[in-house]
Amino acid sequence: DTGVSQDPRHKITKRGQNVTFRCDPISEHNRLYWYRQTLGQGPEFLTYFQNEAQLEKSRLLSDRFSAERPKGSFSTLEIQRTEQGDSAMYLCASSRRGTGPYNSPLHFGNGTRLTVT
Amino acid sequence: DAKTTQPPSMDCAEGRAANLPCNHSTISGNEYVYWYRQIHSQGPQYIIHGLKNNETNEMASLIITEDRKSSTLILPHATLRDTAVYYCIVRSNSWGKLQFGAGTQVVVTP
Repeated sequence: DTGVSQDPRHKITKRGQNVTFRCDPISEHNRLYWYRQTLGQGPEFLTYFQNEAQLEKSRLLSDRFSAERPKGSFSTLEIQRTEQGDSAMYLCASSRRGTGPYNSPLHFGNGTRLTVT
Repeated sequence: DAKTTQPPSMDCAEGRAANLPCNHSTISGNEYVYWYRQIHSQGPQYIIHGLKNNETNEMASLIITEDRKSSTLILPHATLRDTAVYYCIVRSNSWGKLQFGAGTQVVVTP
């Protein structure tokens, strides 16, 4: 178990540029989640995938944001035309789909910190 | 999902037990109580979860009241490395996502 891996750890970009982040989940996990966290706040849910299907998107995920998970393995989160308000930590998590009444815990990566100047 | 209420901050002496309270009075029968913590500049780390029975693992113990309206996370011997924000989350067994609140900032002092 090598854990959830996110790349890059830090990204500084100028307003208006596009950025893309990558997340590699734990290998046998079929669920993958994206969260955003601003300073002093708890993480906020953005979207999640089960295998390659995007099952839920938060209202926080504006049309400038797009997430993909081709082939149900790694995932990318792209932000187009970045704004200063997009500055945050972007966290990825993965979990196994539970059976019966049990849902397996989410395991988080250490995030990508985005700064938009 | 049911909401949770936690104190915003707590101090704890190194080597002593830390008891972190959480209220979840609107919890429903199919909802689990999860605890995570987040050390500065890292992602949230899973600690423990339970439905109605008390649970213990190598990190902590979780005590859930009989009516399930509140719970307590116990760190048996706090160390300086336990300084973190601790989140209590109620999670439906039919949904994958977790909804985080503001958590409790725990500071362990020498």
